[in-house]
Amino acid sequence: SQTIHQWPATLVQPVGSPLSLECTVEGTSNPNLYWYRQAAGRGLQLLFYSVGIGQISSEVPQNLSASRPQDRQFILSSKKLLLSDSGFYLCAWSLGQGPLHFGNGTRLTVT
Amino acid sequence: TQLLEQSPQFLSIQEGENLTVYCNSSSVFSSLQWYRQEPGEGPVLLVTVVTGGEVKKLKRLTFQFGDARKDSSLHITAAQPGDTGLYLCAGAFVSSYKLIFGSGTRLLVRP
Repeated sequence: SQTIHQWPATLVQPVGSPLSLECTVEGTSNPNLYWYRQAAGRGLQLLFYSVGIGQISSEVPQNLSASRPQDRQFILSSKKLLLSDSGFYLCAWSLGQGPLHFGNGTRLTVT
Repeated sequence: TQLLEQSPQFLSIQEGENLTVYCNSSSVFSSLQWYRQEPGEGPVLLVTVVTGGEVKKLKRLTFQFGDARKDSSLHITAAQPGDTGLYLCAGAFVSSYKLIFGSGTRLLVRP
C-alpha cells in the first residue's frame, strides 16, 4: 500500500534562517506531488506541484522554492524565512487526476 | 483568479439537525472533490464528483455537482458530533493536475 511521510511534524525557526521540509512517498511510481500551506482553520493554498522529476510548477510568488530530486521525494525550501511563512505545510500525492493523499503536515512557527 | 468560495465559513449546530455547505466558483472543473480534516492532520477524501448534475451519497452525506460543473454542495442529514471537522472542497481543472481548494467550512456539532 502507498504511504506518505512528511517531516518534521513541528518546527520553530527564527526569522532569516533557512528551511528544508522533506516529503517522501512509498508504494507508487511517478506520482504527482504537491505542497500546500494552510492558515489556521482555513483552506489550503497551493504552493508548488510536480508531475515528474525536476518538473516544478510554482503557484504563488514568494521566498519559497521546491525541488524533486527523485521520483518520490519532494522538498520545500527557503533561504531566509519570514514571519509570514508561519503555517501548516502539507505534502500530498496523486496519480493522474485522482484524489490527493496527504501527509500529516508540518507546523512551522517563525519567530 | 481561480477561486473556490465556500459558505458558510463556520457552522455550529445541535446534534440531529440538517445542514448544507456550498462551494462556488466562476471556473469550470473537470471534477470536484470533498475532503474532511481533523485538527493537526491532513485532509481525507470523502468523495469525487465528475459529471454535471451528479449526486453521490455517503451514509448521511449527500454531495451534488452543479449542472455547469462550477459549484457543488454537501448536505448532512441528522448531524452527529462525529461529523465535527473542517470540510474542504477542491476543484480539478481540465487538462491539468492542479487542484485548488476552497476556503473551508468549520462544522461543530454539539451533543
